[in-house]
Amino acid sequence: DAKTTQPNSMESNEEEPVHLPCNHSTISGTDYIHWYRQLPSQGPEYVIHGLTSNVNNRMASLAIAEDRKSSTLILHRATLRDAAVYYCILRGGSQGNLIFGKGTKLSVKP
Amino acid sequence: DTAVSQTPKYLVTQMGNDKSIKCEQNLGHDTMYWYKQDSKKFLKIMFSYNNKELIINETVPNRFSPKSPDKAHLNLHINSLELGDSAVYFCASSQWGDDYNEQFFGPGTRLTVL
Repeated sequence: DAKTTQPNSMESNEEEPVHLPCNHSTISGTDYIHWYRQLPSQGPEYVIHGLTSNVNNRMASLAIAEDRKSSTLILHRATLRDAAVYYCILRGGSQGNLIFGKGTKLSVKP
Repeated sequence: DTAVSQTPKYLVTQMGNDKSIKCEQNLGHDTMYWYKQDSKKFLKIMFSYNNKELIINETVPNRFSPKSPDKAHLNLHINSLELGDSAVYFCASSQWGDDYNEQFFGPGTRLTVL
C-alpha cells in the first residue's frame, strides 16, 4: 500500500475552517483516498473518501489534487468535538486494507 | 444502539495468563477485524474474517487466536500473555463489496499485562 505523509499536529480556532493536508506522491490509479478520525479514548470513525473528484458529506469535504498526489480534508467550521487524530489512508481498490499512519492531531481552541 | 461492542472495556492481568476479548456487531456485516493500538498510538490490523473465514492474518504471534462463531462475533483469545501485549485492541466490522467498505470500530479494550 502506498504511503501518506501528514503533519504531526495542527491547531485551529473554534468555528473556523480547517484544512488538513495529506501527501501521497506514490498513489496508484486504483488507490482510494480515505480519511478516518479517532476522537480521544474512542475507536476510529470514517470521515470521507474519494478517488478522483472532490467529495462532500455532512462531516467534511475532500479536495483531491488533479494529479492525485495530494489531498486536503476540509472541516468547514471546527468545533471542540472535532479535536481528534485524523488519518489519511490510501486503500488499494475499494476492499483493500486500512493501513493507518501517524495521522495529524488536531487541536481546537475555544 | 451500539453498532460494534467489545467486552471487557478494561482488562488487567498477569504475565503468562490466558485471556479473551469479545466483539459483537449488530450491523449485519459479513467482515470483522481486530486491530492493535500500541503505546505510541500506531494502529495496526491483526486479523480479518469474512463470513467466518480468515482472510487477513498479519504477522501476529500464534499466541493470538481469533475465533468467529458466527458472522456477528469475532473473539480474540490470547495465550501466555506478555508485557508487550499491553495495548488497546479494537474490533471493527464492514460489509464486503459495499462501494467503499466503511469500517465501523468498537470502543476498544485496554489490556494491561503486569
